[in-house]
Amino acid sequence: DAGITQSPRHKVTETGTPVTLRCHQTENHRYMYWYRQDPGHGLRLIHYSYGVKDTDKGEVSDGYSVSRSKTEDFLLTLESATSSQTSVYFCAISESRAGNQPQHFGDGTRLSIL
Amino acid sequence: AQSVTQLDSHVSVSEGTPVLLRCNYSSSYSPSLFWYVQHPNKGLQLLLKYTSAATLVKGINGFEAEFKKSETSFHLTKPSAHMSDAAEYFCVVSDLRNNDMRFGAGTRLTVKP
Repeated sequence: DAGITQSPRHKVTETGTPVTLRCHQTENHRYMYWYRQDPGHGLRLIHYSYGVKDTDKGEVSDGYSVSRSKTEDFLLTLESATSSQTSVYFCAISESRAGNQPQHFGDGTRLSIL
Repeated sequence: AQSVTQLDSHVSVSEGTPVLLRCNYSSSYSPSLFWYVQHPNKGLQLLLKYTSAATLVKGINGFEAEFKKSETSFHLTKPSAHMSDAAEYFCVVSDLRNNDMRFGAGTRLTVKP
């Protein structure tokens, strides 16, 4: 299995509080991704990174920001959490952005916002 | 833009019988197609991928899928289901220009004893 660690694995917080999720990889892959998984929607891309300090928006980026200060770490921040952001969040990595390269996933963070 | 439709949200089979999980895709360019499996409280694990080589692709755990361009389909099959196959399965499409992956909504496979 790819060396991807997500933390925390579970979190419960209140509306309006800031939340940061961490993804750590040991594979030295250039590309890192944050997805959310909701019933009936599969996984949807929030943001991705193509290098240190290089990030771009995905399909559902509103309300989220990201940062990547080191190759191995990719942080997802909810500045002011809302109940609609209750979801399971997955980090993924890939060696390149070529379309034939699979992504490898972490075990996810289950986030509940009350 | 590419998209994926998984035709069944839930499939139930008996142990030892064949499995068929259906996936249709849409893509403006030559697609790459993937199947992933997700067991409860785990991340997604790659089962197999198609990237314009052989149209019949063999994956892990006895699964295989056939790329049919004329039908825009990439159905996942297994000759004989095992209890450990019970999980959610995702069909994914991306085009060869980039790795903008689009996921289907998922198919939950139940295996009855």
